[in-house]
Amino acid sequence: EIVLTQSPGTLSLSPGERATLSCRASQSVSSYLAWYQQKSGQAPRLLIHDASNRATGIPARFSGSGSGTDFTLTISSLEPEDFAVYYCQHRSHWLTFGGGTKVEIK
Amino acid sequence: QVQLQESGPGLVKPSETLSLTCTVSGGSISSYYWSWIRQPPGKGLEWIGYIYYSGSTNYKPSLKSRVTISLDTSKNQFSLKLTSVTAADTAVYYCARQACGGDSCLDYWGQGTLVTVSS
Repeated sequence: EIVLTQSPGTLSLSPGERATLSCRASQSVSSYLAWYQQKSGQAPRLLIHDASNRATGIPARFSGSGSGTDFTLTISSLEPEDFAVYYCQHRSHWLTFGGGTKVEIK
Repeated sequence: QVQLQESGPGLVKPSETLSLTCTVSGGSISSYYWSWIRQPPGKGLEWIGYIYYSGSTNYKPSLKSRVTISLDTSKNQFSLKLTSVTAADTAVYYCARQACGGDSCLDYWGQGTLVTVSS
């Protein structure tokens, strides 16, 4: 079973700053890697699929990169509405989620 | 616009069976993979299993002995049954559609429904 490890657990930043979130897989996952944003009390929202493709309606400040075992979600300039928890996810034989990174206001 | 809506009891007694239904609107259930995911209070996301429109299923190994996911194409619904529940099964349960390359992402989600296991 592939394990996804996200780091850091918590990221404390100010609006306007750049956020860099990491997702590392225990073995190569090709490019089948997705990122989600979850705000308190809401369902997760798909941000990035296939490692680097923004989902419909997602602002250009969100970008994804990586392949193999190391992936990154970058938010180029944090807006107030971006403070949330972010999860990476992969599908092999099953679907697996990382433990999440909380982006909080510094 | 595809929409998903979970429904079912919010309270289940220990050792009983949790049953939830997901109703899909704005699109046909007769394509795609359809998943159930849960999230215990204050914790992360856990995939439970999926069903393909053909009826084939796949479940998380640690839950496989207790989970059944089924499909009703006439009602555009799919359902989850989880037997012998304990307090550890208390969570918000989400249904979602799988799409993207390799059916690898979850592009549409229901709003989620909290199920509490308690006597």
